[in-house]
Amino acid sequence: AQKVTQAQTEISVVEKEDVTLDCVYETRDTTYYLFWYKQPPSGELVFLIRRNSFDEQNEISGRYSWNFQKSTSSFNFTITASQVVDSAVYFCASNSGNTPLVFGKGTRLSVIA
Amino acid sequence: EPEVTQTPSHQVTQMGQEVILRCVPISNHLYFYWYRQILGQKVEFLVSFYNNEISEKSEIFDDQFSVERPDGSNFTLKIRSTKLEDSAMYFCASIRDTSSYEQYFGPGTRLTVT
Repeated sequence: AQKVTQAQTEISVVEKEDVTLDCVYETRDTTYYLFWYKQPPSGELVFLIRRNSFDEQNEISGRYSWNFQKSTSSFNFTITASQVVDSAVYFCASNSGNTPLVFGKGTRLSVIA
Repeated sequence: EPEVTQTPSHQVTQMGQEVILRCVPISNHLYFYWYRQILGQKVEFLVSFYNNEISEKSEIFDDQFSVERPDGSNFTLKIRSTKLEDSAMYFCASIRDTSSYEQYFGPGTRLTVT
């Protein structure tokens, strides 16, 4: 069974600051997938990224970047130059393919203007 | 871009009533899921469905819950006799096949049981 831990419950930053959201996962599978989702105040789940266990390359997409480190079982998410629109709850999740997603408890990010 | 749709967006019901939450997955997708999120908490898996049968279910998915794909397009979640603690956001998700692991989520149905 998989487990995802997001130790940061809430983070508050001032606009334009960089912020990193932590995610630690546990799994016994050799093949697994890691995800980040954004949940804005409107409630929907917005897919941000998926990584598979064989690809440890970091990824950058605009102001977003992800750092996957198998040695520490972490898949951290950094927002550079944060904006008010980034305010949301961010969930890290994991599965082993078409198996159900296991979510962390989420980190509520507040970006203050 | 194709998307998963869910209706209604918000459902209010009285305790003990039956509710049916509806989802229309992306048309060529084969695996379907229901998740639940109690307000302020994490998203939890309820049930997965493939080839017209339940493939996996969680402890939450007890006898009060059932799922159905009645007509090849809709995917429904029924709660037979709602309880106050069933109040939550219910998300439907689907994936195309086992080579495609991104689960596409619908916008959710907020269920309020009074």
